[in-house]
Amino acid sequence: EIVMTQSPATLSVSPGDRATLSCRASESVNNNLAWYQQKPGQAPRLLIYAASVRATGIPARFSGSGSGTEFTLTISSLQSEDFAFYYCQQYSYWPPYTFGQGTKLDI
Amino acid sequence: QLKLVESGGGVVQPGGSLRLSCAASGFPFSTFGMQWVRQAPGRGLEWVAFIRYDKSSEFYADSVKGRFTIFRDNSRKTLSLQMNSLTPEDTAVYFCARDFISAAGTPFDLWGPGTLVTVSS
Repeated sequence: EIVMTQSPATLSVSPGDRATLSCRASESVNNNLAWYQQKPGQAPRLLIYAASVRATGIPARFSGSGSGTEFTLTISSLQSEDFAFYYCQQYSYWPPYTFGQGTKLDI
Repeated sequence: QLKLVESGGGVVQPGGSLRLSCAASGFPFSTFGMQWVRQAPGRGLEWVAFIRYDKSSEFYADSVKGRFTIFRDNSRKTLSLQMNSLTPEDTAVYFCARDFISAAGTPFDLWGPGTLVTVSS
């Protein structure tokens, strides 16, 4: 099973700041990596797939990069609605699909 | 409008059973693989089960294998999860989700709001 590790667990930032979230895979997943945003009481929303491709309707301030085992989600110029939990997911080797433990983006 | 809506959650005693359903609308349900993902209170996301669009294959997380069964009715656009021998560790919000593409390995691009299952005596 591929283990996904996200860091930091909590990132405290201010509106207008740039946020950088990291995700590491225990072995290479090529670019088969997705990022999701989840707000309290809501379902996850797909933000990024194939490590760097924005899903439909996702603002350009969200960008993804990386391949192999190291990945980054960058949110430029944070908006108030961006404060949420973020999860990475590998879909290269499954079952099982595996998620990181999440990063809380905190004001 | 693309939509998934889960139902069937509730409180069940340890050792009991529960069946969850997920109603799909707004897209050709029979052409998409479907997933169940769960989230224990205050915890992260855990993949539970997958069923191929044509029901030809199913996969399960080790934590539920032999206890949970995923199935679907394409004519009724419904996904289901039969959960048996429930334990307190199965307490979670259960989400159904749609495969983004029909491929071996895909992210999930459409999610329902979830239904809460609580296993407690």
